[in-house]
Amino acid sequence: DIVMTQSPDSLAVSLGERTTINCKSSQSVLFSSNNKNYLAWYQQKPGQPPKLLFYWASARESGVPDRFSGSGSGTDFTLTISSLQAEDLAVYYCQQYYSFPYTFGQGTKLEIK
Amino acid sequence: QVQLVQSGAEVKKPGASVKVSCKASGYTFTGYYMHWVRQAPGQGLEWMGRINPNSGGTNYAQKFQGRVTMTRDTSISTAYMELSSLRSDDTAVYYCARARGFDYGDYVVYWGQGTLVTVSS
Repeated sequence: DIVMTQSPDSLAVSLGERTTINCKSSQSVLFSSNNKNYLAWYQQKPGQPPKLLFYWASARESGVPDRFSGSGSGTDFTLTISSLQAEDLAVYYCQQYYSFPYTFGQGTKLEIK
Repeated sequence: QVQLVQSGAEVKKPGASVKVSCKASGYTFTGYYMHWVRQAPGQGLEWMGRINPNSGGTNYAQKFQGRVTMTRDTSISTAYMELSSLRSDDTAVYYCARARGFDYGDYVVYWGQGTLVTVSS
């Protein structure tokens, strides 16, 4: 199984600050034949199902604010929020869909400082 | 609009089975993989498997092999996930979740509201 490891586990950030969440996979999720990284990012708020933010590591889902960005390739990925807003407080998960079982990172909880 | 409506909360005794339903609307049911993901209280997300509603073909996480069965009824656009030999650590919210499309990537875009399954003696 591909192990997804996020860092940090939790993060306290001030409103307006830039925030970065890291996700590392135990093996590459880059498919060489199409040069796509099979990596998605989700946001989950309390009591709600997750919401897709990015797919193919950096393709922003429709409706996701452009203060969010996804980057990385191979085994190392990053979710960045350029200016934290109050509504961004949530738990963020990365997930690989390169090979079965599709595995999630343990989650990163974003809190207000 | 795409909607996935799941069945209601369940309370089961250890050793029993549970079957959760997921009724889809707003799209062609047979055109998109349906995944099942669970989340134990206060914990992270765990992928259980997926079903191709067109063929009925399934892929299960090894952890659940032999205990999970994913099926579908195309006549009523409903997917099912049955988990047997329940244990207390199966207590979780179970989500059905639809992927983007067969030719567009197997990441999940739409989620059901979740079904809480509580396993307790």
